[in-house]
Amino acid sequence: QSVLTQPPSASGTPGQRVTISCSGSRSNIRSNTVNWYQQLPGTAPKLLFYSTDQRPSGVPDRFSGSKSGTSASLAISGLQSEDEADYFCATWDDSLNGVVFGGGTKLTVL
Amino acid sequence: QVQLQESGPGLVKASETLSLTCTVSGGSISSYYWSWIRQPPGKGLEWIGYIYYTGSTNYNPSLKSRVTISVDTSKKQFSLKLNSVTAADTAVYYCARALGRVQDWFDPWGQGTLVTVSS
Repeated sequence: QSVLTQPPSASGTPGQRVTISCSGSRSNIRSNTVNWYQQLPGTAPKLLFYSTDQRPSGVPDRFSGSKSGTSASLAISGLQSEDEADYFCATWDDSLNGVVFGGGTKLTVL
Repeated sequence: QVQLQESGPGLVKASETLSLTCTVSGGSISSYYWSWIRQPPGKGLEWIGYIYYTGSTNYNPSLKSRVTISVDTSKKQFSLKLNSVTAADTAVYYCARALGRVQDWFDPWGQGTLVTVSS
């Protein structure tokens, strides 16, 4: 049971816009910034967003991150086949005094 | 750019100690925090803990009693020891550089190493 809650799966067709949610609580998402990771099949996770909406160099601007209250979202517009991956949210939890992850969302491009 | 590589036994017997090392190349180990994260097969990610290059540490409370992370700056390596392992500790173990105000985001990551706990 993960501290942050993500839908286990999401899907879309090429060109569509898809949103993945990440739900937490006052001690984590509400109090801290959120980070997102993309994990392509058989590879290590890769940083997709840090500090909620900061994109590392090389990440396309089709990807966007946001947060409101105790929830965060990752949006992907102009969906492409290479976006098919697992996506994980993560943040600091003030009560646990550590990093907590969501359970991950498997994105399928139909 | 900074690259990380995990190394260590891929098979550990139950009740024994899992030991892994992460070697940092292409950059300095100093002035940064370094972390271990694991992923059981087919499951999500779990933060294990981090160490500053000076040796100060912070561990996941759920693993704290069994975990030790250490650093050797002269070798540009940091290490993980997890004792009294069980089948539940079978996972891909990743090392990563921890960044951010509270060291809560990770970049880059090593490629990961699968450790299987056998009975």
